[in-house]
Amino acid sequence: GQQLNQSPQSMFIQEGEDVSMNCTSSSIFNTWLWYKQDPGEGPVLLIALYKAGELTSNGRLTAQFGITRKDSFLNISASIPSDVGIYFCAGLDQTGANNLFFGTGTRLTVIP
Amino acid sequence: DAGVTQSPTHLIKTRGQHVTLRCSPISGHKSVSWYQQVLGQGPQFIFQYYEKEERGRGNFPDRFSARQFPNYSSELNVNALLLGDSALYLCASSPEGTLYSGYTFGSGTRLTVV
Repeated sequence: GQQLNQSPQSMFIQEGEDVSMNCTSSSIFNTWLWYKQDPGEGPVLLIALYKAGELTSNGRLTAQFGITRKDSFLNISASIPSDVGIYFCAGLDQTGANNLFFGTGTRLTVIP
Repeated sequence: DAGVTQSPTHLIKTRGQHVTLRCSPISGHKSVSWYQQVLGQGPQFIFQYYEKEERGRGNFPDRFSARQFPNYSSELNVNALLLGDSALYLCASSPEGTLYSGYTFGSGTRLTVV
């Protein structure tokens, strides 16, 4: 089955720093999504990418859909304490039930 | 507007027991999906239902079953619970079943099997 690997596994950064995280897949996806999950909550969609090479921003967040369709990255600029959480990439499998394959997650800690 | 609501929020069960988890989608959403999230991992797809029909099933044993009701709410049932079934069970709803139009996740049900 599809495997999505995220790196780094965890990050500790100072408030105000920029953050970059990556996601690579063993399979091709036509849609990539980035989610953030806070403790005790479900994942919340941050950015959706629908086209290879696409670069999309949402406030301080920027994500890109890799040309090979097997990877994506997420950047967070000028981090703030509320950016703390676990970030998941997900590939959308549209061959059947439109289900999501999630990555292994990147845990972000922001030090004030 | 209410988001995706799941009940109960937490429960503890004993090995071998049966459990039923419930999900109410966002009003107007006709598709419900279930995901299992084991501690330290990303969510893993279990089922998707649209208009009361199963549209997809992940790699889970037959002990896992689900159904969707005429009001689009859904139940996830797990029989003969194992310790490894301990996880956060997430429900996600979306407006359509055949076209991707975005999923909204609930806060989940935390199941602990002892």
